[in-house]
Amino acid sequence: NAGVTQTPKFQVLKTGQSMTLQCAQDMNHEYMSWYRQDPGMGLRLIHYSVGAGITDQGEVPNGYNVSRSTTEDFPLRLLSAAPSQTSVYFCASSYSTGTVGGYTFGSGTRLTVV
Amino acid sequence: ILNVEQSPQSLHVQEGDSTNFTCSFPSSNFYALHWYRWETAKSPEALFVMTLNGDEKKKGRISATLNTKEGYSYLYIKGSQPEDSATYLCARNTGNQFYFGTGTSLTVIP
Repeated sequence: NAGVTQTPKFQVLKTGQSMTLQCAQDMNHEYMSWYRQDPGMGLRLIHYSVGAGITDQGEVPNGYNVSRSTTEDFPLRLLSAAPSQTSVYFCASSYSTGTVGGYTFGSGTRLTVV
Repeated sequence: ILNVEQSPQSLHVQEGDSTNFTCSFPSSNFYALHWYRWETAKSPEALFVMTLNGDEKKKGRISATLNTKEGYSYLYIKGSQPEDSATYLCARNTGNQFYFGTGTSLTVIP
């Protein structure tokens, strides 16, 4: 049972480049989300999904796109990377909206935009 | 309180001491309150999910209480051990969105 798998673990991008952060879970969780973690800011919600085909914005969605074509996968796309998007990104999933068992987090992706 | 606040920001205790920290959140629109333990270089791990006013949860030496009317939760660690050193996060769940605090960083000195 792999849990939540995030790839890549590290990435360096140039300003203006695009890329996709991958997230997959094998626990049949309906709820998936992406967070960014910045010093002194805590975890901030970027986008979330309550099921396949359904996505919505969180606190800090600008510059990011998501899609949820399957229950298992929830990729995060950076459309045109900016230095302000330098951060550690976490994908997380749960059975529903998290009232049962809480979130399971991926191991994180450390992204640097130069 | 606009969102989730945790105090203190950091804490150093001696091995064997008991300690506690606070999570404060808006009491309106409450759905659930989560506690997570986050060790350095790892991912956050769920400790407790609490939904009802007056809830008390316990896992080993760690316990938590919830007051939804006044908007706070306490996390207690009894007899702290060096392996308890971590950042403890709380998160407010409004139904579809989670708002995390910035965490309390605990260091237990052997």
